[in-house]
Amino acid sequence: QKEVEQDPGPLSVPEGAIVSLNCTYSNSAFQYFMWYRQYSRKGPELLMYTYSSGNKEDGRFTAQVDKSSKYISLFIRDSQPSDSATYLCAMKGNYQLIWGAGTKLIIKP
Amino acid sequence: NAGVTQTPKFQVLKTGQSMTLQCAQDMNHNSMYWYRQDPGMGLRLIYYSASEGTTDKGEVPNGYNVSRLNKREFSLRLESAAPSQTSVYFCASSRQSYEQYFGPGTRLTVT
Repeated sequence: QKEVEQDPGPLSVPEGAIVSLNCTYSNSAFQYFMWYRQYSRKGPELLMYTYSSGNKEDGRFTAQVDKSSKYISLFIRDSQPSDSATYLCAMKGNYQLIWGAGTKLIIKP
Repeated sequence: NAGVTQTPKFQVLKTGQSMTLQCAQDMNHNSMYWYRQDPGMGLRLIYYSASEGTTDKGEVPNGYNVSRLNKREFSLRLESAAPSQTSVYFCASSRQSYEQYFGPGTRLTVT
């Protein structure tokens, strides 16, 4: 079993929909939880990070961490075609980042 | 301010050939990383350097060597390329390990 599991998709939704992206993990030592966005043929870029449990909001994006369930989510409100990308979750405990495989998101105009 | 730059962008090698991937950052970050990205596998850490003069193995170091030339530059060398090393290679740098800045990647094909 991988330490971080993420559904690869693709997830296809109409423009304006609320998108929910998720990762599960097995290592209770993880303390930092990150979401990176990767456009096609580009490097990943950090979207948001959360330390420990709770919610964090940045514009149309909300990150949620539930450490009791070992489950993290990224919500995108009012999704736009420009949000079409692969979203990777990443987690950090004492050492280096452990990455999910990424979910490909397609927003249809 | 270019961020993280990588050369080359594309490369085709024959089995057994060697090559060096170059990476440079202009953000004065102490830490630098080399990853490979394969379909369905996510990013896997090959080597990292927490500071100038130090390097450590990551998850998949076999077949690779690295050099932290100075604070700005971190190179990855394939001594004898194998088809299993066909991948997209990303270099990254960071001040805090959770906030990594990535280069545009090198697409390597080994035939």
